[in-house]
Amino acid sequence: DAGITQSPRYKITETGRQVTLMCHQTWSHSYMFWYRQDLGHGLRLIYYSAAADITDKGEVPDGYVVSRSKTENFPLTLESATRSQTSVYFCASSWDPRYEQYFGPGTRLTVT
Amino acid sequence: GENVEQHPSTLSVQEGDSAVIKCTYSDSASNYFPWYKQELGKGPQLIIDIRSNVGEKKDQRIAVTLNKTAKHFSLHITETQPEDSAVYFCAASKRGGTGGGNKLTFGTGTQLKVEL
Repeated sequence: DAGITQSPRYKITETGRQVTLMCHQTWSHSYMFWYRQDLGHGLRLIYYSAAADITDKGEVPDGYVVSRSKTENFPLTLESATRSQTSVYFCASSWDPRYEQYFGPGTRLTVT
Repeated sequence: GENVEQHPSTLSVQEGDSAVIKCTYSDSASNYFPWYKQELGKGPQLIIDIRSNVGEKKDQRIAVTLNKTAKHFSLHITETQPEDSAVYFCAASKRGGTGGGNKLTFGTGTQLKVEL
């Protein structure tokens, strides 16, 4: 089915481990985004990408790495997870700045 | 950068009553103001948006108003129903142009509960 998917939906990991969250969209949207959602902070932009091989930092990029080798995929990697990265992560995509963003279902990450 | 403040953080109304959620923004250059609804366990979904050249926009029971001078915008839901219970986010951005993406800045969200 067309849409935007995220995997895994739930993840528990230990401090210091590397973990990668996956995002896949089938619309061929140029723009893709990663947000984290925390109580009291709303949605904060981590990284975004305007096209394959073009990425840029958002509001809270520290501790995260992204790549975009293919238009449809935009993985987010936590190189050495910390407890402060416990959050719900949302991926989103859009055609271009003039259109709405479509959000995936989210990944709930717990770092113990 | 842009800063968006949203109030209240929680709102409880009786079914059939109206609900109003308010947001203020700091960057006078912002010109696009969407509202998203997030149901439990799901990602946010756009429900209505407004551009800076429009003062009000309606879609059935939902309306958004914009006051550019005061830099605030509001979501109005009339005749609330239990299925309106969700978290609502306002956001602001400068639409258009190339590069940089549509970097929405979100408010902190409002938990709306519609009670029977």
